[in-house]
Amino acid sequence: SQQGEEDPQALSIQEGENATMNCSYKTSINNLQWYRQNSGRGLVHLILIRSNEREKHSGRLRVTLDTSKKSSSLLITASRAADTASYFCATGSAGGTSYGKLTFGQGTILTVHP
Amino acid sequence: KAGVTQTPRYLIKTRGQQVTLSCSPISGHRSVSWYQQTPGQGLQFLFEYFSETQRNKGNFPGRFSGRQFSNSRSEMNVSTLELGDSALYLCASSLSPFFDTEAFFGQGTRLTVV
Repeated sequence: SQQGEEDPQALSIQEGENATMNCSYKTSINNLQWYRQNSGRGLVHLILIRSNEREKHSGRLRVTLDTSKKSSSLLITASRAADTASYFCATGSAGGTSYGKLTFGQGTILTVHP
Repeated sequence: KAGVTQTPRYLIKTRGQQVTLSCSPISGHRSVSWYQQTPGQGLQFLFEYFSETQRNKGNFPGRFSGRQFSNSRSEMNVSTLELGDSALYLCASSLSPFFDTEAFFGQGTRLTVV
């Protein structure tokens, strides 16, 4: 079962604009990660934020985490056509039932028009 | 260093047959997880292996099984294939058993059951 929801399900923007995607989850987490997937291929890790962190940056990416609201957001600034992909949030937990398990959201399909 | 390698990339099987998929993790990664991705259910955790032991299993029927070899390579097997097993099967490896560091995904095996 999915951990939570991603919003919006699809996002269409022009090159140079910013893209914001949101993710909500249901249970307590150890960390939250964002992944990108191009056309049904493998997932590429973008950024990881731990439960005791509130914000993290990596290049044009900015991730925030609000554990009180059980939500996270991914901001891509100055988007490029090459950013067109599906973006997934995934949560990880500690404990024996969580070995190797990331729980994914349904994803946001981002289309960046040149 | 080489990434996660999955073989074969594409597979077409008939209902009732069985299939074996292979995954070679990144060198040094001992934790390997498998995921099923379908349009309807999204990304679902199948199982995780560490040092040849299955430590975690998702909510899938017993037709789905796997194993890990001493060199950390992993295989998953699906017996008595059903049409609903058509999916992209992704393998991931990580240094951390809880996948609370970057997880590296392979390009996936696209299985079509006809």
